[in-house]
Amino acid sequence: DVKVTQSSRYLVKRTGEKVFLECVQDMDHENMFWYRQDPGLGLRLIYFSYDVKMKEKGDIPEGYSVSREKKERFSLILESASTNQTSMYLCATRWDGNTGELFFGEGSRLTVL
Amino acid sequence: LAKTTQPISMDSYEGQEVNITCSHNNIATNDYITWYQQFPSQGPRFIIQGYKTKVTNEVASLFIPADRKSSTLSLPRVSLSDTAVYYCLVVSGNTGKLIFGQGTTLQVKP
Repeated sequence: DVKVTQSSRYLVKRTGEKVFLECVQDMDHENMFWYRQDPGLGLRLIYFSYDVKMKEKGDIPEGYSVSREKKERFSLILESASTNQTSMYLCATRWDGNTGELFFGEGSRLTVL
Repeated sequence: LAKTTQPISMDSYEGQEVNITCSHNNIATNDYITWYQQFPSQGPRFIIQGYKTKVTNEVASLFIPADRKSSTLSLPRVSLSDTAVYYCLVVSGNTGKLIFGQGTTLQVKP
């Protein structure tokens, strides 16, 4: 079974802090994604990566950056957290293909005070 | 990428068959239809994917008519543990891009 592990299930940060959300997968998948999920808005794509050191902006990249130095690890970075970034963050992976299924982690619930 | 429309919520009783219909009028030739299930405080989980006609796996069936402008997810004999949000997505076969909509919240009652 594919395992997608997100480093923290719950985080509480203060406005202006730098936040790192880590995602690690164990199935050698090429593609990795970061989504955020908010009530009434569904899941929205922040960034994705098709390979090591490659990244592409999703639908809502503003206020976020990402890093993929190793194939198994995809990090989401909030350079200066703001209250409107309080959300559930979900990491997902997919093998090298356009129509394969996404495998999601358990999610990281971030609260910015 | 084709937008999907599905009911916001549905209720059912244990043991019944549940059919959730999704419309995707602007689906393109190379697009696929995919369904995910999400429980509270968990990430979505893949259920089934199809291109046309009928696909069945151990969890569900997916019916896609010839014009592919809609699809129906069928859950046989639901149980309380099937209470979840179900998302219908169109996935671009060319780019892999997909968009999650609002989903359908299915409530199964005893």
